[in-house]
Amino acid sequence: ETGVTQTPRHLVMGMTNKKSLKCEQHLGHNAMYWYKQSAKKPLELMFVYNFKEQTENNSVPSRFSPECPNSSHLFLHLHTLQPEDSALYLCASSQDPSGRSSYEQYFGPGTRLTVT
Amino acid sequence: GDSVTQMEGPVTLSEEAFLTINCTYTATGYPSLFWYVQYPGEGLQLLLKATKADDKGSNKGFEATYRKETTSFHLEKGSVQVSDSAVYFCALTSGNTPLVFGKGTRLSVIA
Repeated sequence: ETGVTQTPRHLVMGMTNKKSLKCEQHLGHNAMYWYKQSAKKPLELMFVYNFKEQTENNSVPSRFSPECPNSSHLFLHLHTLQPEDSALYLCASSQDPSGRSSYEQYFGPGTRLTVT
Repeated sequence: GDSVTQMEGPVTLSEEAFLTINCTYTATGYPSLFWYVQYPGEGLQLLLKATKADDKGSNKGFEATYRKETTSFHLEKGSVQVSDSAVYFCALTSGNTPLVFGKGTRLSVIA
């Protein structure tokens, strides 16, 4: 595997379910990101991790819970979601020693989430 | 705060037409500028970048020049192909902030 991979690619869940999205990067980067992409809205940065430490949380509801066990893996745990949370969730990574995005980001293919 | 404004889409062109997608920005300091492309069913891919004024980024026939005086980074291609159909995102970082993206411009190229 190369680049940034995400699983699952598609997920349908009910509002009472608990599920997790997984992201893995094979690029040796030390910063990872979660984005939400909704129809007709700009990309929304959700979380930033640098060297496994969370450095950014853009007022994301607590029903989204990130986890970064090491610099190659990133999870997004989901529980009691709402239908408006249906979107494409994108993971990205970058080589960013400053903890910010001065370097280009490499994106995974995304997980298409539908909340019913 | 920093922001990026790109032209509204969708843009529909015939094959071999000239493409321009406008992008202007507001930023503190001297940002780095990027164009990303998102093909159907995929994540975003870096298309090109420029890190200082008057730099020209280029890739796959696409070009964009960092214009500090007009705070612009317009994307151009001389002859588009059907395979260029995608959503294009302009983005910036001031080096100590996460990437800021524009809303994206959908391009459809018809044969």
